[in-house]
Amino acid sequence: EIVMTQSPATLSVSPGERATLSCRASQSVSSNLAWYQQKPGQAPRLLIYGASTRATGIPARFSGSGSGTEFTLTITSLQSEDFAVYYCQQYYDWPLTFGGGTKVEIK
Amino acid sequence: EVQLLESGGGLVQPGGSLRLSCAASGFTFSSYAMSWVRQAPGRGLEWVSTVSGSGINTYYTDSVKGRFTFSRDNSKNTVFLQMNSLRDEDTAVYYCATYTSSSASGYWGQGTLVTVSS
Repeated sequence: EIVMTQSPATLSVSPGERATLSCRASQSVSSNLAWYQQKPGQAPRLLIYGASTRATGIPARFSGSGSGTEFTLTITSLQSEDFAVYYCQQYYDWPLTFGGGTKVEIK
Repeated sequence: EVQLLESGGGLVQPGGSLRLSCAASGFTFSSYAMSWVRQAPGRGLEWVSTVSGSGINTYYTDSVKGRFTFSRDNSKNTVFLQMNSLRDEDTAVYYCATYTSSSASGYWGQGTLVTVSS
């Protein structure tokens, strides 16, 4: 099983600032990496797939990068609606696995 | 508009069974694999199972193998998760989601809560 590790667990950021979230895979997943955003009481929402492709309707302030085992989600100029929990997921091999999540909170 | 509507959740005793359904609309259902992802209270996301568009291929996380069965009826645009021998640790919100090998899970339902407790 491919283990996904996200860091940090919690990120405190002021509105308007940049947030950088990390995701590491225990073995290469090529570019088969997705990022999801989840707000309390809501279903997850796909932000990024293929490590760097924004899903439909996702603002350009969200960007993904990386390949192999190291990935980054960057949110430039954080808006109030961006404070949430973010998960990475590999879909390179079965079982599909998620990271433990990074909570982005208001500083 | 893509819609996924889960149903069938509820309270069940340990060792019991439950059948979840997910009705889909707004896309060519048989062209998409479908997944179940669960989230225990206060915890992160856990992939449970995926079924191919044809229904021929299914994949499961180890903890549910032999207990859960994922199937689909493409004539009714619906997937089903039959859950047997339920355990306390199966308590979670269960989400159904579309899945493609190129773009992961783009559409999600609102989730249905399964509580396993005596």
